[in-house]
Amino acid sequence: GENVEQHPSTLSVQEGDSAVIKCTYSDSASNYFPWYKQELGKGPQLIIDIRSNVGEKKDQRIAVTLNKTAKHFSLHITETQPEDSAVYFCATIGRGNQGGKLIFGQGTELSVKP
Amino acid sequence: GAVVSQHPSWVICKSGTSVKIECRSLDFQATTMFWYRQFPKQSLMLMATSNEGSKATYEQGVEKDKFLINHASLTLSTLTVTSAHPEDSSFYICSARDLTSGWSLYEQYFGPGTRLTVT
Repeated sequence: GENVEQHPSTLSVQEGDSAVIKCTYSDSASNYFPWYKQELGKGPQLIIDIRSNVGEKKDQRIAVTLNKTAKHFSLHITETQPEDSAVYFCATIGRGNQGGKLIFGQGTELSVKP
Repeated sequence: GAVVSQHPSWVICKSGTSVKIECRSLDFQATTMFWYRQFPKQSLMLMATSNEGSKATYEQGVEKDKFLINHASLTLSTLTVTSAHPEDSSFYICSARDLTSGWSLYEQYFGPGTRLTVT
């Protein structure tokens, strides 16, 4: 089945710097790649997603890039702010007996220091 | 729109007792609901998928007799942890999607989670 690897597990940046989180996936037919932000004690919130027919998508300070050939996708946060501190999860949608189910990466704990 | 609520937000129960967690879709009809468990510093682990009016489908390794899931209506699913033990202490999160209103197959929205502590 699909497998998603996420790096790094922790990331500390200074306020105003950029943060990049990378995920790789195993199923070349995967076609949906969401990113979730989870604050402490809360459920995950979708912050951005990308379909396999585009290579990049932006939403203000957040962008996601997709490289289908290399089977990896990345989250880019620019001009980071303390409120960006959270755990970020990448995911993809499983196929076959994983059909319709989100397959999550291991998570990245982002700390933005003021 | 697309709000999912969970109740309670946290619960403490004694070992051997049962506890029920509710997941509600507030402004849409949830044709499918998912239940996840998350241990500290770990990712979300899917426990089961439930479609309204049908029996839940459990992931490998999840005891269906211990984690009872009921999805009797289009806005409510419940997870009952039976004969809870300390190792069941975890953060339980539900998510929901609606495949009947033109949503993408991929859209699903998460609840705020329920922290279960078994003493």
